[in-house]
Amino acid sequence: EDKVVQSPLSLVVHEGDTVTLNCSYEVTNFRSLLWYKQEKKAPTFLFMLTSSGIEKKSGRLSSILDKKELFSILNITATQTGDSAIYLCAVTGGFKTIFGAGTRLFVKA
Amino acid sequence: DAGVTQSPTHLIKTRGQQVTLRCSPKSGHDTVSWYQQALGQGPQFIFQYYEEEERQRGNFPDRFSGHQFPNYSSELNVNALLLGDSALYLCASSSSRGAQGEQYFGPGTRLTVT
Repeated sequence: EDKVVQSPLSLVVHEGDTVTLNCSYEVTNFRSLLWYKQEKKAPTFLFMLTSSGIEKKSGRLSSILDKKELFSILNITATQTGDSAIYLCAVTGGFKTIFGAGTRLFVKA
Repeated sequence: DAGVTQSPTHLIKTRGQQVTLRCSPKSGHDTVSWYQQALGQGPQFIFQYYEEEERQRGNFPDRFSGHQFPNYSSELNVNALLLGDSALYLCASSSSRGAQGEQYFGPGTRLTVT
């Protein structure tokens, strides 16, 4: 059965810390891996990864995919209180998208 | 450029009733996917519609059905509601010509079944 597993499930850090969020997957007919940020309702798109070893960056956030180990990480450097949210990892296989349970990040001022 | 819209925002129903949720995709998008997100969990894929047909379905019973209209908008219908159907229902749209997997989510409909 297809699955996406995220770790840790929750994380509390102080402003300025660097965090690494993990995502492992087993999904048939892999097409892409996506990261989303969910603060209140609608998840907002962060990254889409399709190729191994190519880092994607957006400001303080970066992500990389390892298709051999079926793994991705999301890094956030110099965290801010506005980074507090649930970070969702999702994998598209065929025409469906499987989400992990998310990592709940809380950044203390 | 309007993003994905959903209606209603909130809904309260009684066990056994039926509900219809609506979604209008982002302009230029032709594919709509529906998800159920229970409290504390990630979204669970219900099904995807493209060209007015259900293209793929997740592990949801037949009580969950949908429809896509010629203008690409979509409806999610749930029959014989159970307490466990209480959740946030998210609609996401994408383009069949765009990057595979890149979806844009609507604000969701919060369904409470009592």
